[in-house]
Amino acid sequence: NAGVTQTPKFQVLKTGQSMTLQCAQDMNHNSMYWYRQDPGMGLRLIYYSASEGTTDKGEVPNGYNVSRLNKREFSLRLESAAPSQTSVYFCASSDRLTSYEQYFGPGTRLTVT
Amino acid sequence: QQQVKQSPQSLIVQKGGISIINCAYENTAFDYFPWYQQFPGKGPALLIAIRPDVSEKKEGRFTISFNKSAKQFSLHIMDSQPGDSATYFCAATIQLYGGSQGNLIFGKGTKLSVKP
Repeated sequence: NAGVTQTPKFQVLKTGQSMTLQCAQDMNHNSMYWYRQDPGMGLRLIYYSASEGTTDKGEVPNGYNVSRLNKREFSLRLESAAPSQTSVYFCASSDRLTSYEQYFGPGTRLTVT
Repeated sequence: QQQVKQSPQSLIVQKGGISIINCAYENTAFDYFPWYQQFPGKGPALLIAIRPDVSEKKEGRFTISFNKSAKQFSLHIMDSQPGDSATYFCAATIQLYGGSQGNLIFGKGTKLSVKP
């Protein structure tokens, strides 16, 4: 039972490059989330998927796209990376219908030069 | 109105002391207040949570105090240990129409260092 897994753990991109961050959960949760964490800014919600087949913008969606591939997987795509997207990205999942608790993955540290 | 304000940003406590982190909110519709703990290089994990129908919840050395009239809640860590050194986030959320939970609104975090 791995919980929430994220790949890659680390990534360095040049400005303008694209990449996809992968997230998978094995807890049969219906909801999944992408956050970014920056020093002094806390956890800010980028996008979320309340249930399979739906996605919605969070607090800071600009420059990102998401895909809820199936119930287990939720990916985050940076189409044209910018230095302002240097951050640590966390995926989380929860069962919104029965619980408030979100389970977080280990994070992806992304640097854009 | 959706913000959760957390203080202090950082905190240094001696081993055995009491660590206190405070949070304030504006939205009176919030009905669930969790605290998450994050160790370096790891994702946050739920530590303890409270609903507004009680004023205090205790789990081991960790206690949440809740003041509904002041719209404030705080985390107290008794007998703080070096292993408690981590970043702590308060959060708030609301139960949506239909019964599902809304998104968590996080404070900006407090970095706690417990000195031996």
